[in-house]
Amino acid sequence: DIQMTQSPSSLSASVGDRVTITCRASQGISNYLAWFQQKPGKAPKSLIYAASSLQSGVPSKFSGSGSGTDFTLTISSLQPEDSATYYCQQYNTYPLTFGGGTKVEIK
Amino acid sequence: QVQLVESGGGVVQPGRSLRVSCAASGFIFSNHGMHWVRQAPGMGLEWVTSISYNAKDKYYKDSVKGRFTVSRDNSKNTLYLQMNSLRPEDTAFYYCAKDAGYGGTSADHWGQGTLVSVSS
Repeated sequence: DIQMTQSPSSLSASVGDRVTITCRASQGISNYLAWFQQKPGKAPKSLIYAASSLQSGVPSKFSGSGSGTDFTLTISSLQPEDSATYYCQQYNTYPLTFGGGTKVEIK
Repeated sequence: QVQLVESGGGVVQPGRSLRVSCAASGFIFSNHGMHWVRQAPGMGLEWVTSISYNAKDKYYKDSVKGRFTVSRDNSKNTLYLQMNSLRPEDTAFYYCAKDAGYGGTSADHWGQGTLVSVSS
C-alpha cells in the first residue's frame, strides 16, 4: 500500500498568513493526488484534484502543487472560515489512501 | 446540483449485518464511479471501497474484503454497501462520494454521512 504522510499534523496561524501543508507519498504517484477540507461535524469537501486543479467553486486562495512523491497545499491568505482539517489522498493505486490530516487553527 | 444522501446507519451488534444506501441526484449516476469512505469518531478518513460506473470493477480495503459488498442500481440512482460480520472497529461515519469520472479518479462530491455503531 502507498503511505501518505502529511506535515505538520496541526498548525496555528494568523488571519492573512500564507499557510503551506505538505504531503509525501511512499512511492511515486504521478499527479494522482487530491486535497479535501473537513470542518468539525461536517462531511469532507473536495478542494483540488490532479495535484493542482481546483474543483469548481473553490476559491483561488487555495492552490496545490507537486508531482511524484512530494506535494503541497497552500492557502494564500488564511481566513477564519479556513479553520478545518485538511487531508491529502492518492488515487494512483488501490487501495486508495489518505494522509493523517492537518488541523489548521486560527490564532 | 449534486446531492448524495446516505441512509441506513444505526446501532448493530457485533457479527450482525447492516446495509447502508446512498441516493444520488443532480448528475447522471450511471456515468460515474462511486466510493465509500469511513471515519471513526475523532479519527481520519479511511477509504473502504469503490465501484465503477457499470459495476464491473470493484475494489475493497483488505480489512473488509469478504465481509462488505458494494453494489449499485443505476435504474434507481442508488449506491449500496452491504456490511456483514460487523466488528466494533467498523464503527464510523460512512460517507458516499461521487467519482469525477467513470471510476479511478478523485471524489468531487460527498454525502453528509451515516453513522454505523457496532456494539453489544
